[in-house]
Amino acid sequence: DQQVKQNSPSLSVQEGRISILNCDYTNSMFDYFLWYKKYPAEGPTFLISISSIKDKNEDGRFTVFLNKSAKHLSLHIVPSQPGDSAVYFCAASEPGNNRKLIWGLGTSLAVNP
Amino acid sequence: EPEVTQTPSHQVTQMGQEVILRCVPISNHLYFYWYRQILGQKVEFLVSFYNNEISEKSEIFDDQFSVERPDGSNFTLKIRSTKLEDSAMYFCANRQTNYGYTFGSGTRLTVV
Repeated sequence: DQQVKQNSPSLSVQEGRISILNCDYTNSMFDYFLWYKKYPAEGPTFLISISSIKDKNEDGRFTVFLNKSAKHLSLHIVPSQPGDSAVYFCAASEPGNNRKLIWGLGTSLAVNP
Repeated sequence: EPEVTQTPSHQVTQMGQEVILRCVPISNHLYFYWYRQILGQKVEFLVSFYNNEISEKSEIFDDQFSVERPDGSNFTLKIRSTKLEDSAMYFCANRQTNYGYTFGSGTRLTVV
């Protein structure tokens, strides 16, 4: 049951360039999407989110785009920095008080100096 | 910035033994969760806890699992009789009424 898919297990980019991480979902009931960053031996850290009523949300170097018709979202990091090297998880939740998260498998980003 | 604290960071236990994973949540958060990640697999929802009771649990959260907030602060996950397949990273998470979760750094459980 892969409701949230991150089809690229890894991505390598040069410092200063744009990193684009992709995520697809199948459940049309999802109304909130989040990106988390995770370093080894640490818990996931919230990065940025987007509601399904929007198509873009920006926070500094991070921008998330949502294409509801395609059930696709992407995270853009520009410019990429070596400290951005981590595993990035896409997660989604349905409406309701509980807000449990359904996760993708993650994409390991390596930003090379 | 408020943190979620999990202990221990690593627990090794023999199959069939009981383990208790502990979490000190952020004090004014209302929703509490346990998630786990088996090596190489997705992060999976286990259980959510609100108003001192379970609000939702996954199929993984069978009778071997239980959660408690025994003293109104600590939030614990107990596995009564561990199996090899319980080996995973277990993450505690909290949430206020908005959507933002705060995760702990996790407990790595190894069942041998």
